[in-house]
Amino acid sequence: IAGITQAPTSQILAAGRRMTLRCTQDMRHNAMYWYRQDLGLGLRLIHYSNTAGTTGKGEVPDGYSVSRANTDDFPLTLASAVPSQTSVYFCASSRPPQGSYEQYFGPGTRLTVT
Amino acid sequence: AQSVTQPDIHITVSEGASLELRCNYSYGATPYLFWYVQSPGQGLQLLLKYFSGDTLVQGIKGFEAEFKRSQSSFNLRKPSVHWSDAAEYFCAVRSNDYKLSFGAGTTVTVRA
Repeated sequence: IAGITQAPTSQILAAGRRMTLRCTQDMRHNAMYWYRQDLGLGLRLIHYSNTAGTTGKGEVPDGYSVSRANTDDFPLTLASAVPSQTSVYFCASSRPPQGSYEQYFGPGTRLTVT
Repeated sequence: AQSVTQPDIHITVSEGASLELRCNYSYGATPYLFWYVQSPGQGLQLLLKYFSGDTLVQGIKGFEAEFKRSQSSFNLRKPSVHWSDAAEYFCAVRSNDYKLSFGAGTTVTVRA
């Protein structure tokens, strides 16, 4: 079934540890995005990639890094996790980012940093 | 920079009653506007979108939304709510740099 997969589904992580959240899409979409969702704040963009080989910073990029080595994968890395990074993380993708193309979302990763 | 305001944090509606969720945006140019729904523990699903043309757009699950430029609004409506419509709803605006800005969301509770 075409779509976006994220792994892990949930994770409890000790502060200071490194963690990579995985995201894979099989729709051959050019653009991919990472959001965090926090109660009362909606979704906020962390990083994005308009095409393989390029990335950009979103609204809340500090403490996170991404890479886009190919079209399908867009991992998000927390180099040294802190409790404020406790959140639900969503990966999304869209066809060429311009135009009216909507973003498709994965099921999310619930991360708790203790 | 663009922004979205959803004034209602939580709405409770009776099954079979009508529903309207408010969304106001701030953006200098013609916006691309979206409504997404999130069921508990799930990702976001697109309900409908507006980018040009008819200001009344139809979406999935019986939802519609009306774009009003003069009021900078894009309110979501459904004539008759079903229990399965209980969810969180997000309005979003897309800017010229292709990024989405989301509102804080409105939680809808449906009572029998």
